[in-house]
Amino acid sequence: QKEVEQNSGPLSVPEGAIASLNCTYSDRGSQSFFWYRQYSGKSPELIMFIYSNGDKEDGRFTAQLNKASQYVSLLIRDSQPSDSATYLCAVPHSGNTPLVFGKGTRLSVIA
Amino acid sequence: GAVVSQHPSWVICKSGTSVKIECRSLDFQATTMFWYRQFPKQSLMLMATSNEGSKATYEQGVEKDKFLINHASLTLSTLTVTSAHPEDSSFYICSARPRPGEGYSNQPQHFGDGTRLSIL
Repeated sequence: QKEVEQNSGPLSVPEGAIASLNCTYSDRGSQSFFWYRQYSGKSPELIMFIYSNGDKEDGRFTAQLNKASQYVSLLIRDSQPSDSATYLCAVPHSGNTPLVFGKGTRLSVIA
Repeated sequence: GAVVSQHPSWVICKSGTSVKIECRSLDFQATTMFWYRQFPKQSLMLMATSNEGSKATYEQGVEKDKFLINHASLTLSTLTVTSAHPEDSSFYICSARPRPGEGYSNQPQHFGDGTRLSIL
């Protein structure tokens, strides 16, 4: 069974700061990695996915993947109060589904 | 983008009642649908995987006789919680995987909005 580990937080950052969220995974053979954002009482929504080592940027979000160290991170620049949510790291169980989720990191951006 | 509709969004019912939750892929065909459950302040836990026209595969610890899954078509899967009890109260989320060739290749799974089930 694949395991995905995240620090549950809460992680508090001031508005405008960079929020850094980390995730480690157990299966060295994993090929794709997903970050979801989940607001309280809502379904998760995809923020970013990454397949290759290195950085991938999309607007204020940057995903970083290091397969050798088996970790993937998400950076949120210029954090806004609306970014306050739980961020879930997900790795496919086999092939590309089903997704196995970490417990999530709760982010709180303080205005 | 791909849309997955889940209904109802919220259910409150008495203990012992059976509750059916529907999951529909509106603009794509899904050979596989997944059912997750999420308790407060916990992550999404996969309950079962359903493939169109065949029996669902349940994760360890999930009672197949209590959580009946039917995937009768390429666009519809249902989860029935039979004789629900307060400990079954949770947030149930379905997710659908598009059939190969449908597009939407940037995401392996598309999620419904979830069903909050409260058993009194």
